[in-house]
Amino acid sequence: KQEVTQIPAALSVPEGENLVLNCSFTDSAIYNLQWFRQDPGKGLTSLLLIQSSQREQTSGRLNASLDKSSGRSTLYIAASQPGDSATYLCAVLSKSLRAGGTSYGKLTFGQGTILTVHP
Amino acid sequence: DAGVTQSPTHLIKTRGQQVTLRCSPKSGHDTVSWYQQALGQGPQFIFQYYEEEERQRGNFPDRFSGHQFPNYSSELNVNALLLGDSALYLCASSLAGNSNQPQHFGDGTRLSIL
Repeated sequence: KQEVTQIPAALSVPEGENLVLNCSFTDSAIYNLQWFRQDPGKGLTSLLLIQSSQREQTSGRLNASLDKSSGRSTLYIAASQPGDSATYLCAVLSKSLRAGGTSYGKLTFGQGTILTVHP
Repeated sequence: DAGVTQSPTHLIKTRGQQVTLRCSPKSGHDTVSWYQQALGQGPQFIFQYYEEEERQRGNFPDRFSGHQFPNYSSELNVNALLLGDSALYLCASSLAGNSNQPQHFGDGTRLSIL
């Protein structure tokens, strides 16, 4: 059974700091790993997706890495801003084969890291 | 290009009642997954529909059921509501067999059980 853990549970930093969010997973049989952002009371916004064969992905001030063999991923946020305040969720898309060879993956999420960036 | 839309946005029910939540997937997507997110927790997978059939199911009781229509939209039904069913219910859509693209989520339906 896939389990995903995120550390820390909460993080409060001053504006401008670089920060790292951690994610670990127990089963390396994954298609990809995704990082999402969730604002209070809202749905999920996909930030970065790393395929199982990739090592990292970058988008603007965000950089995500993946070490599938050790079951770890990090999300690096450079020069944090108050607008980055949100909950960050890590999720892995697990492999699941069905008859006919078509795969129907399900996402397993961590508990999230609540990030607060204060001015 | 409309993204994933869910209705209603908020719902209040009492214990024992039943509820139906609705989801329209992003244009071009054919697979719909439902997740339950309790307060302060990460989303938990309920089930996934493709070609109008339930393809995978998480650890949820039979009180949770669903349906997918020919236009790929989906419904989540919950019977005999319990206080513990209070949560944000999220719908995600994707294209079957394509793991290169992220799943797209709607804004969810906030269900409160009194």
